[in-house]
Amino acid sequence: EVQLVESGGGLVKPGGSLRLSCVASGFTFKNAQMNWVRQGPGKGLEWVGRIAIKADGGTTDYMTPVKGRFTISRDDSKNTLYLQMNSLKTEDTAVYYCTTDGHRVPAACDFWGQGTRVTVSS
Amino acid sequence: DIQMTQSPSYLSASVGDRVTITCRASQSIRRYLNWYQQKPGKAPKLLIYAASTLQSGVPSRFSGGGSGTDFTLTISSLQPEDSATYYCQQSFSTRYSFGQGTKVEIK
Repeated sequence: EVQLVESGGGLVKPGGSLRLSCVASGFTFKNAQMNWVRQGPGKGLEWVGRIAIKADGGTTDYMTPVKGRFTISRDDSKNTLYLQMNSLKTEDTAVYYCTTDGHRVPAACDFWGQGTRVTVSS
Repeated sequence: DIQMTQSPSYLSASVGDRVTITCRASQSIRRYLNWYQQKPGKAPKLLIYAASTLQSGVPSRFSGGGSGTDFTLTISSLQPEDSATYYCQQSFSTRYSFGQGTKVEIK
């Protein structure tokens, strides 16, 4: 059974940093492209970014509002995906989900974690 | 970036009704369109991918259609458990984007 478990969320002041983790199990993590998706309070879903598998260069891509502030990385030896968030803004307040990308179906977020909540407030 | 627009934002319908949600892309996305269902306090769940293919385990009352810029999600006979918010998402661009969501309520 595919499982994704996020952690690392919490309360942080504007301008601060936070690192989220997502531990994967039930599939071969090193062969899976992964996404981060967020949802602000009472709002819709926003794709944050993606990391490719190492065999494809491990390249990353981000939504414009977080480019230069957020960094996605992966440690395949630990089956773990990361989201390093720097220079946080109040508008980054959201539940952050990690998802697989095209793991069993093409070009879709086919498995999701339960999410971790990030609150940016002074 | 590709913009996705859903309509309506909210709908209320009775059990057994046929319900259709539309999603429009700001440019052609061929059939790179997915639909998700999200219930309150839960993570989204993939319902349909590639515009019309049902994800494993999804009831057959759900169907998807369209190509290019215009897409639909139809529930042929609304059930109480279908009360949720539905999102479309394009995967044509490497930078994915979602519609703003359609909240479906049971009368």
